Amino acid sequence: AQKVTQAQTEISVVEKEDVTLDCVYETRDTTYYLFWYKQPPSGELVFLIRRNSFDEQNEISGRYSWNFQKSTSSFNFTITASQVVDSAVYFCALSEASGSNFGNEKLTFGTGTRLTIIP
Amino acid sequence: ETGVTQSPTHLIKTRGQQVTLRCSSQSGHNTVSWYQQALGQGPQFIFQYYREEENGRGNFPPRFSGLQFPNYSSELNVNALELDDSALYLCASSSGTEETQYFGPGTRLLVL
Repeated sequence: AQKVTQAQTEISVVEKEDVTLDCVYETRDTTYYLFWYKQPPSGELVFLIRRNSFDEQNEISGRYSWNFQKSTSSFNFTITASQVVDSAVYFCALSEASGSNFGNEKLTFGTGTRLTIIP
Repeated sequence: ETGVTQSPTHLIKTRGQQVTLRCSSQSGHNTVSWYQQALGQGPQFIFQYYREEENGRGNFPPRFSGLQFPNYSSELNVNALELDDSALYLCASSSGTEETQYFGPGTRLLVL
């Protein structure tokens, strides 16, 4: 069975500080996908990143960066120079990899980390 | 905005009643998935429909059922509502060619 653990329930930082959100996962699959989503108060989940288990390269997108370490089953998310608009609940998710289901994966989510950026 | 819409936005029901939630997919998307998100929890996969057929189901009882229509819109039906069914219900649509599915804003269901 798949499992995603986000041990940090809530984090508060002052604006412009860097913050890292932790994600640890469990799976028996040798090939899988990892995701991060942002959930603002409006409710819809906003896609941030998708990572294939074969690709352990770290990713940077603007102020966002992701550190994937297969050896520790972790996929951590860092926001640099945080802004008030980053305040939201962030979810890490895991899915099995199936070539016929690209973009249609059935996701297993963690319990989320509520991030508050203090002005 | 993702182009995925859900109705109604909020709903209050009493225990034992039945409810139908609706989802309109993004144009060109032939797959829809439904998730239940209890308060303070992450979303849990209920089931997925691909071209009007069920394509996978999570650990939910049979009183949770769904439909997908020829225009790829979808319904989630829940019979014999229980208090624990109170949650945000999210639908997500996808085309099978993009790297993500797109989520709607959800329907918040309260069962009293």
